[in-house]
Amino acid sequence: GDSVTQMEGPVTLSEEAFLTINCTYTATGYPSLFWYVQYPGEGLQLLLKATKADDKGSNKGFEATYRKETTSFHLEKGSVQVSDSAVYFCALSDPVNDYKLSFGAGTTVTVRA
Amino acid sequence: DTGVSQDPRHKITKRGQNVTFRCDPISEHNRLYWYRQTLGQGPEFLTYFQNEAQLEKSRLLSDRFSAERPKGSFSTLEIQRTEQGDSAMYLCASSLNYGQGSNQPQHFGDGTRLSIL
Repeated sequence: GDSVTQMEGPVTLSEEAFLTINCTYTATGYPSLFWYVQYPGEGLQLLLKATKADDKGSNKGFEATYRKETTSFHLEKGSVQVSDSAVYFCALSDPVNDYKLSFGAGTTVTVRA
Repeated sequence: DTGVSQDPRHKITKRGQNVTFRCDPISEHNRLYWYRQTLGQGPEFLTYFQNEAQLEKSRLLSDRFSAERPKGSFSTLEIQRTEQGDSAMYLCASSLNYGQGSNQPQHFGDGTRLSIL
């Protein structure tokens, strides 16, 4: 079945550092890919998405490119802030069973001032 | 757009008791989803509704779990005879679907955290 594998955390960075969180997926078709973020005490918020190969999703300085050849959707941000401290989840939905999101285990990111 | 609302935020109960959670989706969204999230894991799909019809249930949804969306608006998730293993965060999400392949991203509520004593 469909699955998502994220790099394990926790990740601790200093402010203005570069952030990369790796995400690879297994799916039978051509899924849509998502990054969700969960701030402490809150629900998941959609951060960005991409629906086809080579699409780049971007939001709040974060970017991720849908790479079909490597089945990856790595999240990057050039200069993190303390407010980016959160848990980040990579997820996919396949075009046939589009009702269901399959999530990775999440990566906890802590940014220190 | 007031977002997806869940109630209560926290529920503590004794093993064997029944609990019910409520979810109010974004008003124009026709799909509503329930997920379960345990500590250190990503959410796992439980079930979803298209309007008032429950169209899919995960094998994670044992017969002690039941979900309803009677008028195609709010939904309830009931767990009967709760067990220790039911302790988790229960997340509700909603989305707008125009038809096959046109599902819009899911928007999540803040969840209901269930603790079984």
